[in-house]
This record gives sequence, C-alpha cells and structure tokens, in this order.
Amino acid sequence: GIQVEQSPPDLILQEGANSTLRCNFSDSVNNLQWFHQNPWGQLINLFYIPSGTKQNGRLSATTVATERYSLLYISSSQTTDSGVYFCAVLIQGAQKLVFGQGTRLTINP
Amino acid sequence: DGGITQSPKYLFRKEGQNVTLSCEQNLNHDAMYWYRQDPGQGLRLIYYSQIVNDFQKGDIAEGYSVSREKKESFPLTVTSAQKNPTAFYLCASSRQGPGAGELFFGEGSRLTVL
Repeated sequence: GIQVEQSPPDLILQEGANSTLRCNFSDSVNNLQWFHQNPWGQLINLFYIPSGTKQNGRLSATTVATERYSLLYISSSQTTDSGVYFCAVLIQGAQKLVFGQGTRLTINP
Repeated sequence: DGGITQSPKYLFRKEGQNVTLSCEQNLNHDAMYWYRQDPGQGLRLIYYSQIVNDFQKGDIAEGYSVSREKKESFPLTVTSAQKNPTAFYLCASSRQGPGAGELFFGEGSRLTVL
C-alpha cells in the first residue's frame, strides 16, 4: 500500500521561529490534506491541497504532486501552534485517506 | 453551526462489555468514517460509509460494527471481541465519495476499558 512519511517526527522551537514540515508519499495522489491536532485531540483542517500552493495567515502549504511531497510552512510560531501535524493522502483509484505518523511541534515561550 | 458531534467525549467500561459511540453530522455529507488513534500514533480507518444502508470495512474492522440507517448518523459499536479497545476514536465526514472530498472531523471519543 501507499507509504506516507512525515518529517521530522519531533520539532521544538522558540516562539517567533519559522518551521517547515514535510510529507512524502509513495504513489500518485488525488487528494492531500494537512491537519493540526490540538492538545485536546481535535483534528483541525488546515489545507486541502492536492497540488499547488495555498496560504492562510501565517501558514502556507505546497504540494508537488509530480515529485510526491508536500510542505507545510509555519511562520512566526506561537505557543498555540503546538500540537501534532498530520498529512493524509488519497491515492488514485482508492477510497480512503491514509495518514502519516505526524510531526509533533512544541513551541516554547 | 454545522458540524460533527461525537458523544460521549469520555467513556469508561469494564472488559467484556459492548459500547456504542455516537456520531452525528448536519453538514449533509454523503460519506462518513470512523478512525482509531492510539497514543503517539497516526489514524487508522475502522469503517466507512458512502451512502445510507451501505458501509465497508477499513484496515482494522475486526471487533467493531457500524450501521448507517440515516444520512446524519454513523454509530460505532466496540464489541467484546475487540482485544485492545482502549483508544481515541474519531468520526469524520466528507461531501463527496470516500476520501474524494475534504474530510472534516468531530472532537473525538476517548474510550478506556478497565
């Protein structure tokens, strides 16, 4: 089956720093989403981005489908950005999203 | 507000008991899903449903059962056959067919089996 690998697994930064999270996938995809799981466990949609670049405030994402990766950028990090970031992909011809193992981001004040 | 409501948020049960987790959505989405998350892990798909009265097994369906009698509702029963039921359970829905559209999640139900 498809492999979805996220890196780094853990990232600890000071408030105000910038960060880049990566998601590599092993097959062509029809759909890619980035989620933020907050400390209470809720999954918040960040981006629906099967290809191209999108921006939402301090966050932006880029998916290069032909090279099978996606990047999530967080600028001027805040403590509320802490949590686990997941990417999830839908491969062509499949009917379910496959999740990566996540990147745990800790922003210290 | 539109969204997905899961209940209960926390549930404690004795080993050997069946438990049912509720998931209701008012987004008019066709597809609904149940995922399981263990500590420090990603999400794994238990069951999904594209339309009313139809559902398919996901990657870890053993020990679980579901029903889809109404478009808005997709309850999950954790049976006594599930060997390691303690986990965080997340329900999701999407507008189009399974996985084709953007996925939205409820707040989750944390099940602890004593």
